[in-house]
Amino acid sequence: AQSVTQLGSHVSVSEGALVLLRCNYSSSVPPYLFWYVQYPNQGLQLLLKYTTGATLVKGINGFEAEFKKSETSFHLTKPSAHMSDAAEYFCAVTGGGGNNRLAFGKGNQVVVIP
Amino acid sequence: DADVTQTPRNRITKTGKRIMLECSQTKGHDRMYWYRQDPGLGLRLIYYSFDVKDINKGEISDGYSVSRQAQAKFSLSLESAIPNQTALYFCATSEPRDGYGYTFGSGTRLTVV
Repeated sequence: AQSVTQLGSHVSVSEGALVLLRCNYSSSVPPYLFWYVQYPNQGLQLLLKYTTGATLVKGINGFEAEFKKSETSFHLTKPSAHMSDAAEYFCAVTGGGGNNRLAFGKGNQVVVIP
Repeated sequence: DADVTQTPRNRITKTGKRIMLECSQTKGHDRMYWYRQDPGLGLRLIYYSFDVKDINKGEISDGYSVSRQAQAKFSLSLESAIPNQTALYFCATSEPRDGYGYTFGSGTRLTVV
């Protein structure tokens, strides 16, 4: 079974500062990893994903994440926060293969301070 | 039109009532899922279906049932709604060729009073 840990339910960041959201996973098989964003009153939108290949993946809106197998981590970063980045962010993992149920973390609510 | 459409968007119902949430998709995906979202708990899997003849329970299936009427349609029912089923419900689809990423509907906000 797969699981995800996201620490810090609420994260405050100043406009223009680095955004860093931490995600650690547990998986008994090589994982596929995802970050989703949820804006207020909307569904979840895929930010980026890692399946195989390059461990540094770039997503939409200037976000990127790096898969580190040795640390079982997939942290999300953005060099400079914008007001429009205020949203909830979810990390998710699946084992790929034939059984790809996604397991989600509890989410990080990001607040951007002007 | 959205790839994954959920109806209704909002619903208020009374305790003990039966209610159905509907999901339809135009992605052509075989795999469909129902999740519920509660503040601070993230998304938890209720039921999933890998094809029309395949239905599986997720981690929190008690009090829920599903029907896969066609490849494109996957409905979630609350047989006798209770207040702690008040939540935001999401339908999603996926396919291996898409790297297993999910496509989500916009959600149904259900309130049980």
